[in-house]
Amino acid sequence: EDKVVQSPLSLVVHEGDTVTLNCSYEVTNFRSLLWYKQEKKAPTFLFMLTSSGIEKKSGRLSSILDKKELFSILNITATQTGDSAVYLCAVVRSSNTGKLIFGQGTTLQVKP
Amino acid sequence: NAGVTQTPKFRILKIGQSMTLQCTQDMNHNYMYWYRQDPGMGLKLIYYSVGAGITDKGEVPNGYNVSRSTTEDFPLRLELAAPSQTSVYFCASTTSGRGTGELFFGEGSRLTVL
Repeated sequence: EDKVVQSPLSLVVHEGDTVTLNCSYEVTNFRSLLWYKQEKKAPTFLFMLTSSGIEKKSGRLSSILDKKELFSILNITATQTGDSAVYLCAVVRSSNTGKLIFGQGTTLQVKP
Repeated sequence: NAGVTQTPKFRILKIGQSMTLQCTQDMNHNYMYWYRQDPGMGLKLIYYSVGAGITDKGEVPNGYNVSRSTTEDFPLRLELAAPSQTSVYFCASTTSGRGTGELFFGEGSRLTVL
């Protein structure tokens, strides 16, 4: 059965800290891995990763995929209170349906 | 620039009632999805559609039905509501079924069944 597992499930840090969120997967016919940020409402897209070892970066956020070890990490440096959210990892299989398989999410709280 | 629009945003139902969650997108996306999100959990796929006239079950389809008569609209029907269907429902769409494009989400519909 396809599985996406995120860790930790929750995390509390202080502003300025650096955090690393983990996502491991067991999915047949892997195609891509996506990271989303969810603040109260709908998830918003952060990154899509399809190739191993290539870092995607956007400001203080970065992510990398390891297709051999079947995991991805999302790094946030110099955290701010506005980074407080649920971070969701999702995997897409190689099919013509585009269905995403989501992990449980990591709840990040950044304290001032 | 509407994107994916869901209605209603909130609804309270009594056990046994039925209702339809509406979803429409204006991006001409062929691929549309309904997910539910329970507290502290990720999103579970209910139903999906790869184009007008084509729908299929996801992981948790029991108690729900969908239709896709147009590219724009993908309503989700709840028949005989049960407390287990209390959840937040998200409609989403994407341009590609090959996993090469991001998924665009609606704002969500919070449903409570009492």
